[in-house]
Amino acid sequence: AQKITQTQPGMFVQEKEAVTLDCTYDTSDQSYGLFWYKQPSSGEMIFLIYQGSYDEQNATEGRYSLNFQKARKSANLVISASQLGDSAMYFCAMREGRGSARQLTFGSGTQLTVLP
Amino acid sequence: KAGVTQTPRYLIKTRGQQVTLSCSPISGHRSVSWYQQTPGQGLQFLFEYFSETQRNKGNFPGRFSGRQFSNSRSEMNVSTLELGDSALYLCASSLAPGLVRSSTDTQYFGPGTRLTVL
Repeated sequence: AQKITQTQPGMFVQEKEAVTLDCTYDTSDQSYGLFWYKQPSSGEMIFLIYQGSYDEQNATEGRYSLNFQKARKSANLVISASQLGDSAMYFCAMREGRGSARQLTFGSGTQLTVLP
Repeated sequence: KAGVTQTPRYLIKTRGQQVTLSCSPISGHRSVSWYQQTPGQGLQFLFEYFSETQRNKGNFPGRFSGRQFSNSRSEMNVSTLELGDSALYLCASSLAPGLVRSSTDTQYFGPGTRLTVL
């Protein structure tokens, strides 16, 4: 089974509107971390936001917020007031807490296009 | 604070050759991980180093190897290159392994090395 599932290969949003990118995950660990990264066409992965499994509040970082629904195992990224520079590939990732392994498991990504 | 740097940014090699990629982590970061990104397989974990020791390895053949130096800089090597090794190789650094906490758990990525094997 896929550990991280991103069901939207591509999304379009009008500039200045909000957009939600979906992410569901699968783990039996109680302790885990969820991350969102942005990858522009240049290739660099840019960290956006983090949510720990024990965090009671949804994470927010500027225009980015994470809609964390633990029981549903979903961690959707919400981008408010989209800008043209937000056009990029977005990846959801998870780090499980078992042992000291720190590898990130990534989803397949969502290509977001912001329209003027 | 400078970010993660990777050199070279682009490489073109032929089948059978070997290649070494370099990664310098963010100052103070002691953990370095490597990932391979291809259109077909997406992002896949290669290995992770901390304190000059490999702590975890992904499901890649032995042709892929790495090491970490005392200053936390890391190199990865691919021997006997195959066409399928063409990919973007990303290095990420973080403070240190530990419990899942945002301050130490977040991995910051470099710009990547784009390897083309002809």
